Amino acid sequence: DQQVKQNSPSLSVQEGRISILNCDYTNSMFDYFLWYKKYPAEGPTFLISISSIKDKNEDGRFTVFLNKSAKHLSLHIVPSQPGDSAVYFCAASRSGTYKYIFGTGTRLKVLA
Amino acid sequence: DVKVTQSSRYLVKRTGEKVFLECVQDMDHENMFWYRQDPGLGLRLIYFSYDVKMKEKGDIPEGYSVSREKKERFSLILESASTNQTSMYLCASRTGGRSYEQYFGPGTRLTVT
Repeated sequence: DQQVKQNSPSLSVQEGRISILNCDYTNSMFDYFLWYKKYPAEGPTFLISISSIKDKNEDGRFTVFLNKSAKHLSLHIVPSQPGDSAVYFCAASRSGTYKYIFGTGTRLKVLA
Repeated sequence: DVKVTQSSRYLVKRTGEKVFLECVQDMDHENMFWYRQDPGLGLRLIYFSYDVKMKEKGDIPEGYSVSREKKERFSLILESASTNQTSMYLCASRTGGRSYEQYFGPGTRLTVT
């Protein structure tokens, strides 16, 4: 039972354009969501997060949007750069627990 | 700067061997985690520890055990390695309390032949 889903295994975007990565979840008890970026042969690095009390969080070129009614979050990267090419994982957690449920990842390729 | 280190980047072991994967963090974090990453499956939690000597099973604990004798060190043990345990193993830590951000090590690519 995949509680966090990233339905697009890969995405290609031209440099300078917007990248939109999507994530769906099924458990309405999740109240904190994170995005991680992973380069080959490295561990994931934290990118941005959002609490369920918000619907948007922005950090530089990265913005995460949360739609609780649809159980959907998205990561927008504007403008996309070749260095953004990586695998992006979304993760969900619930207050009072230690567990994070990760999606299967989306491989982003930004074309120069 | 935050740092999580793992004892090996690449490891090759034979079926039936006992394997130890070590993880050390220098941030005085309370919580530590072991995941495995497989293509198409994302990161799956094997075990986590919320304090010294405390541990809880994650989603896929079968065939694994863990040890946390000191706060900074969390070990993953494969009691008898099997080929289906060939994977990328990732260790992570986070401070306790309200912070959700996890910090990951670089990973250990384990191949069991």
